[in-house]
Amino acid sequence: GAVVSQHPSWVICKSGTSVKIECRSLDFQATTMFWYRQFPKQSLMLMATSNEGSKATYEQGVEKDKFLINHASLTLSTLTVTSAHPEDSSFYICSGSWGYRHNEQFFGPGTRLTVL
Amino acid sequence: QKEVEQNSGPLSVPEGAIASLNCTYSDRGSQSFFWYRQYSGKSPELIMFIYSNGDKEDGRFTAQLNKASQYVSLLIRDSQPSDSATYLCAVNRGGSYIPTFGRGTSLIVHP
Repeated sequence: GAVVSQHPSWVICKSGTSVKIECRSLDFQATTMFWYRQFPKQSLMLMATSNEGSKATYEQGVEKDKFLINHASLTLSTLTVTSAHPEDSSFYICSGSWGYRHNEQFFGPGTRLTVL
Repeated sequence: QKEVEQNSGPLSVPEGAIASLNCTYSDRGSQSFFWYRQYSGKSPELIMFIYSNGDKEDGRFTAQLNKASQYVSLLIRDSQPSDSATYLCAVNRGGSYIPTFGRGTSLIVHP
C-alpha cells in the first residue's frame, strides 16, 4: 500500500501558540488529502478535504480560520492549528488518496497534540 | 439517523472463531465501501474495500455488500488475538470520494 508520513508524531504546546503539522505522501501523488481529528474513544471526524493547488473544503462546524490547511503540492499538505487551546488537544490524522470515486485512503500515523 | 452505523461492541470471540462485524448506511447513492482496522493509539489501516454486491475475499477477511438492504459486513475467519482492534466502516458519500466513517466496532479475540 501507499505510504503517508506525518510530522511531528506528537507535540506539546502552550495555550495561544500555533502548531503546524505536515502530511506527506511518500510514494504516490495524493491528489486529495483529508484531515481528521479523533478524540479518545470516539470515531474519526473529518475536518476538511483539500485538493492540490486549491482551497480546502471544510466540514460544517470546523473553523477555517483556526485550522489552516495548505495543499501546496501533490505530496505535501499542512494543517496549522492557530491560537491553540486545551480543547484542541486531540489526535490529528491525515490521509491521502488519488481522489477518484472508488479510491481508498492511506492514512498517516497521526499527530497527538496536547495543549497546556 | 446516523449516516453510517456500527455496533460499538465490544464483540468478544474466542481465538479461531469467526468474527462478524456489521455496518449499515443511509445514503442509497453510496458506491464505495471500506473497512479499516485501528489499533489503540494508532491511525487506521485499510483492510478491504468493496464496490459490488456480493462477497469479496482476501485471506482471512471477507467483505459482504448488500446495496438493497444498505449494509456491509466484514467476516474474519480464524480470529487471532492480534485481530483485537476497532474496526471502522467507511462509506463514500453519494458517488463521491468524500468518506463518512462509522463509530467503529471494538473486537476482542481472547485466547
